[in-house]
Amino acid sequence: RKEVEQDPGPFNVPEGATVAFNCTYSNSASQSFFWYRQDCRKEPKLLMSVYSSGNEDGRFTAQLNRASQYISLLIRDSKLSDSATYLCVVAGFQKLVFGTGTRLLVSP
Amino acid sequence: DGGITQSPKYLFRKEGQNVTLSCEQNLNHDAMYWYRQDPGQGLRLIYYSQIVNDFQKGDIAEGYSVSREKKESFPLTVTSAQKNPTAFYLCASTPGQVNQPQHFGDGTRLSIL
Repeated sequence: RKEVEQDPGPFNVPEGATVAFNCTYSNSASQSFFWYRQDCRKEPKLLMSVYSSGNEDGRFTAQLNRASQYISLLIRDSKLSDSATYLCVVAGFQKLVFGTGTRLLVSP
Repeated sequence: DGGITQSPKYLFRKEGQNVTLSCEQNLNHDAMYWYRQDPGQGLRLIYYSQIVNDFQKGDIAEGYSVSREKKESFPLTVTSAQKNPTAFYLCASTPGQVNQPQHFGDGTRLSIL
């Protein structure tokens, strides 16, 4: 089993739609979780950290479910500019473990 | 502005040649990391350094070497022993603890001539 697993997509949604991604992780001792955004041929950029109680940043909401070992990212009112690959990241022993990413395509 | 600078942006390597990728940060971060990204794959950790003059192998260190003589600098050498070096190389840093988010440079694309 991979340490971090994501559905590669692509998720094709129209502008204004709500879309959600899930990510599962294998290490139950993991304490820190993040979502990064990566545009084509660019470096990953931190989108948001994921806190135990869930957290929101504008149109983005992140949730953590420790019992089932997954984290989620919800994007409301999708914009064309949200088209990117979203990377799930989990802190392991002395390193971060990156998922392969979920690709989102928002169309007009 | 503080940040991480990687150079060059594009690099070509001939067979049997060693090449060095530069990574400099002015964020005063203690920890620095090198990753490799291949198409359709996640980032894989090559080497990391949590303090000057010390570094650790990551998951795919074979064929690579690093040094950390200064806090600001963490160069990566891709040696001729790395038989499949074509990839996107990313350098990252954090203030110190591994459970903090990492900040990335804008990467170096390495290709074989």
